[in-house]
Amino acid sequence: QKEVEQNSGPLSVPEGAIASLNCTYSDRVSQSFFWYRQYSGKSPELIMSIYSNGDKEDGRFTAQLNKASQYVSLLIRDSQPSDSATYLCAVNYSGGGADGLTFGKGTHLIIQP
Amino acid sequence: SAVISQKPSRDICQRGTSLTIQCQVDSQVTMMFWYRQQPGQSLTLIATANQGSEATYESGFVIDKFPISRPNLTFSTLTVSNMSPEDSSIYLCSVSGTGDIQYFGAGTRLSVL
Repeated sequence: QKEVEQNSGPLSVPEGAIASLNCTYSDRVSQSFFWYRQYSGKSPELIMSIYSNGDKEDGRFTAQLNKASQYVSLLIRDSQPSDSATYLCAVNYSGGGADGLTFGKGTHLIIQP
Repeated sequence: SAVISQKPSRDICQRGTSLTIQCQVDSQVTMMFWYRQQPGQSLTLIATANQGSEATYESGFVIDKFPISRPNLTFSTLTVSNMSPEDSSIYLCSVSGTGDIQYFGAGTRLSVL
């Protein structure tokens, strides 16, 4: 059973602080990992992708992957009220683009002004 | 990333009827995917549509309920058949890009009375 686990929150973070979102997955052979942001009433938009162990930084966002622990995280620095959304962790278990993604339930993030 | 158009954006349907959702992409893609997002839930993959072959359905989804067409490399349809209130959801199509990244259409918000 392919599973992706996230804490549903809500996670409340003061403006300007670091928001830390976590995700675990069930299958060691997973190839590709993604963080999507979804605003209420909108479709998911890609924030980060990560494929190898370690950190990947893009602006205020850093994705971290630890395949041995089957753990992927997303850090948001200098959090802004516009970052308030649901963050979905997604895993491609096979790679190659032929399979769909398995999504976690999402973490609802609230940035307090 | 590809531009994905979905129609209709929303609909209200009567129990027992069927609705066909269209997904158009602005470039040729091999794989297209259909997801369902039930109220307050995350995304669940319904099926994968490969041009020129039968769609591949995930566990819990069957062709009689969710028939899919994929007549060419830029277009797909999903039909929700014999609808019940439990089918009220957002239905999303997506395409796979470089690195297994998936890009989503705006979604179809379906309410069944």
